[in-house]
This record gives sequence, structure tokens and C-alpha cells, in this order.
Amino acid sequence: AQKITQTQPGMFVQEKEAVTLDCTYDTSDQSYGLFWYKQPSSGEMIFLIYQGSYDEQNATEGRYSLNFQKARKSANLVISASQLGDSAMYFCAMTPMDSSYKLIFGSGTRLLVRP
Amino acid sequence: DAGVIQSPRHEVTEMGQEVTLRCKPISGHDYLFWYRQTMMRGLELLIYFNNNVPIDDSGMPEDRFSAKMPNASFSTLKIQPSEPRDSAVYFCASRGLPPDKSSYNEQFFGPGTRLTVL
Repeated sequence: AQKITQTQPGMFVQEKEAVTLDCTYDTSDQSYGLFWYKQPSSGEMIFLIYQGSYDEQNATEGRYSLNFQKARKSANLVISASQLGDSAMYFCAMTPMDSSYKLIFGSGTRLLVRP
Repeated sequence: DAGVIQSPRHEVTEMGQEVTLRCKPISGHDYLFWYRQTMMRGLELLIYFNNNVPIDDSGMPEDRFSAKMPNASFSTLKIQPSEPRDSAVYFCASRGLPPDKSSYNEQFFGPGTRLTVL
């Protein structure tokens, strides 16, 4: 069975600083995908970044980067130059690379950016 | 594109009543997913459809829950009878088919329906 673990229930970061949100996963599949979603207080789920298990380079999307360490089964999200609008819940998720692409979510990390 | 549309956005009902949640996926998307979010269990997949056919309903908690997709543009999640422990936010998401197996297509989430069962 696949599992996502996010060990940080909550984190603080100072505005303009970088922050790393941890995510580890467990799977026996050789092919899988890893996602990060942001959920602000308004409740919607916002896609941030994707990393495929066969991708050799770490994914980057603007201020977001994914630190993918396959041997350690970790997929940490790095947010550079934090902004007040980054305050939200962040979910790491995994998908098997079968036809379903269903998402298996971690428990989330609540990030609060301090001015 | 209007994105994934869910209705109602909020629903308050009394225990024992029937509740129907509705979802309109993005046009052209082949897959539709229903997720539930609670404080205790987090985000969990309930059921998903491919080309209107239910593929995996192993996440549906009980027989009180049922889901249908009568056509490519509409799906319902029904709870009958509802119980207070069903209180949650229910998300619908859809996605298209990736161009190849090494690629992915993002799942687009609807705004969710916040259900409160008293």
C-alpha cells in the first residue's frame, strides 16, 4: 500500500525567507508521481508542483521547488522568498502511474508566514 | 473554462435526511474523482470514474454512500441516511488523459461542498 507522511503539523517562517516542508512516501511501485497542493483558508485545492519518479531533475515552478531524493523516498517542498499569501495548508500527494492517477494525500502541514 | 463546478457549496441537514452532492467536471475530462476531507482522516478518495464508469469505490465508507455518473458532464454523490459523522468537505476533481504514460495531467479540484449533518 502507498503512504504519504508529513511530520510537521505546523510551521512558521519569516516573510522573505525560504522554508522547507517535509514529505516522505512509501511505495513498492517503480513508477509513481508526487504532487504538492496548497489549500488556503478559503478551502480550494491549488496544484503547485509535480515530480515524476523517473525525472532526473528536481521540479521547479516559480518560487516552488521539489527536493526529490528517491533513495530516501522524500519529496520536500521548498518555498523561496516566502510571502504572506503563502500562509496555508500544504499537502503532499502521491499517484500510482497506472491509468487511474488517483491521489493519496498526506496529513498536511499548516504554514504561517510572519510579517 | 469554468473549471469543476460543485453544488451546493454548503449544505446543512439533519440526521437521517438524504443528501445529494453534485459535480460538473471540466469538459473533455475522462476521469472524475470524489474526495472527502475531515479533520480526523484528512483527504481521502471515495470513488473514481473513467468514461462515466465507476472503477474503484473501495473508499466509499458504507452502503449509505452511493455515486453515479449518468453522463460525461454530471456526477452525484448521495448519502442516505446521513449521519453527523458524515460532516466533511466533499471535493470533486476531474482530469484528462495524459499524452503518454510518462506524463501526467493535473487533477482539477472543484471548490468543495461543506456538509454539516446535525
